[in-house]
Amino acid sequence: AQSVSQHNHHVILSEAASLELGCNYSYGGTVNLFWYVQYPGQHLQLLLKYFSGDPLVKGIKGFEAEFIKSKFSFNLRKPSVQWSDTAEYFCAVTPGEYGNKLVFGAGTILRVKS
Amino acid sequence: DAMVIQNPRYQVTQFGKPVTLSCSQTLNHNVMYWYQQKSSQAPKLLFHYYDKDFNNEADTPDNFQSRRPNTSFCFLDIRSPGLGDAAMYLCATSRDGTPFQDTQYFGPGTRLTVL
Repeated sequence: AQSVSQHNHHVILSEAASLELGCNYSYGGTVNLFWYVQYPGQHLQLLLKYFSGDPLVKGIKGFEAEFIKSKFSFNLRKPSVQWSDTAEYFCAVTPGEYGNKLVFGAGTILRVKS
Repeated sequence: DAMVIQNPRYQVTQFGKPVTLSCSQTLNHNVMYWYQQKSSQAPKLLFHYYDKDFNNEADTPDNFQSRRPNTSFCFLDIRSPGLGDAAMYLCATSRDGTPFQDTQYFGPGTRLTVL
């Protein structure tokens, strides 16, 4: 079945460590790609998005993601995490053939130890 | 601030007792979406309205209905909630639903408990 896969369900890092969260999708053709973040007790917020152009996308709070079309991947990175980055991170894809429907990955819970 | 508002934030209902969840938006977006998110799972699209046009996902149970009386408001009705319907229900909006250009913005969600 076509899907969005996030490689790790739980990640624990110490402050200042580098972060990379994996996301792969299985839809062919043109896609839109998103990373959303959900801080404890808060709503889903958009971190960054890729529609077209430069495959390296910069988002809020120092996050970036790279779209690698040949690998069907859109991994999220941050060079140095902070305690305040503790949250759940969702990768989401809009497969072009499904209009504007968002298909989410299962999420990755990041805990940053201070 | 323009935003997506959901009421109530927490809803408790009894097995089989109809319940309505509310979503409103001040973004003046054309498209409104309802997602169901069960514990430790990804949000799953139930249906969406493009303006007044209702679009149901193929696997959304008939127990779930929706109404959009105007641009600003959208309701999720669960006719006979079962224990398996306990979840977080997320409302989202987007400007016009144009593929490859549009972004969805989410409300805080309503957590539904079924007793």
